[in-house]
Amino acid sequence: GAGVSQSPSNKVTEKGKDVELRCDPISGHTALYWYRQSLGQGLEFLIYFQGNSAPDKSGLPSDRFSAERTGGSVSTLTIQRTQQEDSAVYLCASSLMGTGTDTQYFGPGTRLTVL
Amino acid sequence: AQSVTQLGSHVSVSEGALVLLRCNYSSSVPPYLFWYVQYPNQGLQLLLKYTTGATLVKGINGFEAEFKKSETSFHLTKPSAHMSDAAEYFCAVRDRTGANSKLTFGKGITLSVRP
Repeated sequence: GAGVSQSPSNKVTEKGKDVELRCDPISGHTALYWYRQSLGQGLEFLIYFQGNSAPDKSGLPSDRFSAERTGGSVSTLTIQRTQQEDSAVYLCASSLMGTGTDTQYFGPGTRLTVL
Repeated sequence: AQSVTQLGSHVSVSEGALVLLRCNYSSSVPPYLFWYVQYPNQGLQLLLKYTTGATLVKGINGFEAEFKKSETSFHLTKPSAHMSDAAEYFCAVRDRTGANSKLTFGKGITLSVRP
């Protein structure tokens, strides 16, 4: 079946603009994760959704970052007033149950460049 | 807090040579352990994982890893490198006890394979 998909694949924006990044998880997966991959910081956890539970936002770097997951499926990561340090590849992953032994399946990522 | 150490940022081997990529973790309770591979401009793909049971884990593409609790290690090996193995490799851990099943990644190691 289809894997995790993300859009857009590339996004170039100007400093101060808002951006929205989209993630379509694997059908039937209840858990969804966002990570950020940057040269200086490596791979960092951002936010985690599990079913109808309140999301774990402990990895979001500032209040300019937010995410939602509608209908337990598609997720959108929004970055307001983008800064140059937000430039990174944003990766989305999903897993079947969100348990510790579950495999997380990753999408191809969205490369964000803030000019 | 958990942490993952991958020594060095780049490993170069000849085609047909042994591949050894090191990973050490730091946590009071042994976590779940994962190795992911990332090919250029792609998302992460799971190579193998250790959750419980046999400490020698076999994965895809001929890779295997051994969990050694006494050494807090989970090194990745492959007996004979192929050109197609050139990629970036990430070791990751996940807490066995927490509610959030986020992955904590090492910095990654780039593997080059010489003809």
